[in-house]
Amino acid sequence: AQTVTQSQPEMSVQEAETVTLSCTYDTSESDYYLFWYKQPPSRQMILVIRQEAYKQQNATENRFSVNFQKAAKSFSLKISDSQLGDAAMYFCAYRTGTSGSRLTFGEGTQLTVNP
Amino acid sequence: GAVVSQHPSWVICKSGTSVKIECRSLDFQATTMFWYRQFPKQSLMLMATSNEGSKATYEQGVEKDKFLINHASLTLSTLTVTSAHPEDSSFYICSARAQTGYGYTFGSGTRLTVV
Repeated sequence: AQTVTQSQPEMSVQEAETVTLSCTYDTSESDYYLFWYKQPPSRQMILVIRQEAYKQQNATENRFSVNFQKAAKSFSLKISDSQLGDAAMYFCAYRTGTSGSRLTFGEGTQLTVNP
Repeated sequence: GAVVSQHPSWVICKSGTSVKIECRSLDFQATTMFWYRQFPKQSLMLMATSNEGSKATYEQGVEKDKFLINHASLTLSTLTVTSAHPEDSSFYICSARAQTGYGYTFGSGTRLTVV
């Protein structure tokens, strides 16, 4: 079974600084997708970034980028120029390449942004 | 973009009564619906997966007779918590997938309090 591990229950960062959230996963599949979701206090799940395992290039979305290390099964999220609105719970998630497959979530990392 | 409308956003009910939560995909056909439960400061726990027109598949430990899921159409799925008890108090979130693409669209969640 696939597992997703986020070893940092809490992280904090100063506004305008950079922070990296860690995620590791375990799978025997070769075709899969990885995601980072943000859950602010409203509890609405928001997709931050997505990475296809077959792509070597790391995904980037504005201030958000990932460091995808397939051999190490690592998928960290870097947030640059942190803003107060980035404060949220961040979940790393995995799904296989099979259509309709479920998301497996990590435990989450609570990010605090200090002004 | 894809939108899933989840209602109600919060509900308080008396112990022993039933509560129905609805998730509607507004601008796409949700062939698969996932239902999650989330406790405070914890990750999303998958309860069941339903495909339109089929019986839901429940995760181990989830009582299918207590948590009734209906996915009779491509735009509507419901979760009914039957004979609710205080321990059923939680945050319930739905997530929909279309047949094509790899995106998941989340509802805004329902906070259930059983008194």
